[in-house]
Amino acid sequence: EVQLLESGGGLVQPGGSLRLSCAASGLTFSNYGMNWIRQAPGKGLEWISIISGSGGATFYADSVKGRFTISRDNSKDTLYLQMNSLRVEDTAVYYCAKQIVGPGWNFDYWGQGTLVTVSS
Amino acid sequence: EIVLTQSPGTLSLSPGERATLSCRASQSVSSNYLAWYQQKPGQAPRLLIYGASSRATGIPGRFSGSGSVTDFTLTISRLEPEDFAVYYCQQFDSFRVTFGQGTKLEIK
Repeated sequence: EVQLLESGGGLVQPGGSLRLSCAASGLTFSNYGMNWIRQAPGKGLEWISIISGSGGATFYADSVKGRFTISRDNSKDTLYLQMNSLRVEDTAVYYCAKQIVGPGWNFDYWGQGTLVTVSS
Repeated sequence: EIVLTQSPGTLSLSPGERATLSCRASQSVSSNYLAWYQQKPGQAPRLLIYGASSRATGIPGRFSGSGSVTDFTLTISRLEPEDFAVYYCQQFDSFRVTFGQGTKLEIK
């Protein structure tokens, strides 16, 4: 059974940094693209970033480009999101999600999420 | 960026009824890249439909997806109590992913 477990969320001041982790199990991790998707309190879903299975390709939403960095360690079956220059509007539950097999960037397994609160 | 607009914002129906949820795109979307998700309070989203009409693993047959180009539909043939939730459509284009704003399906 595929399981994704996020960690690293918490309270941070505006301008601060945080690193999220997503530990994967039950799959050959390096075979799949992985994503970060967030959801602000009471709001809808916003895709943040994707990384290819090898880690050689990454893409970002405009809202986080230049501030957030996605990475992965396939030897540890773990996905990361380094978040710098955090803003109040980055407050959200952050989910990691596995890309389906196929041409589309759709997401078939999700973690339970980790809450990031940016506030002074 | 392709904008997805879902309607209605809220749909009030009773168990046993048929639900029809709409997702309209601001530009043409490849059917291969259109998906639907269900989200219940306090839970992560769950993939229901991908490729506009293919059911994900373990999804009951009462869920079906259809449509093409700019107009897509999620249909739940006979609502079960556990189907009342928020539903999102999602697409991929030019290395960007966007979600619709969601339709809340509530018990009437």
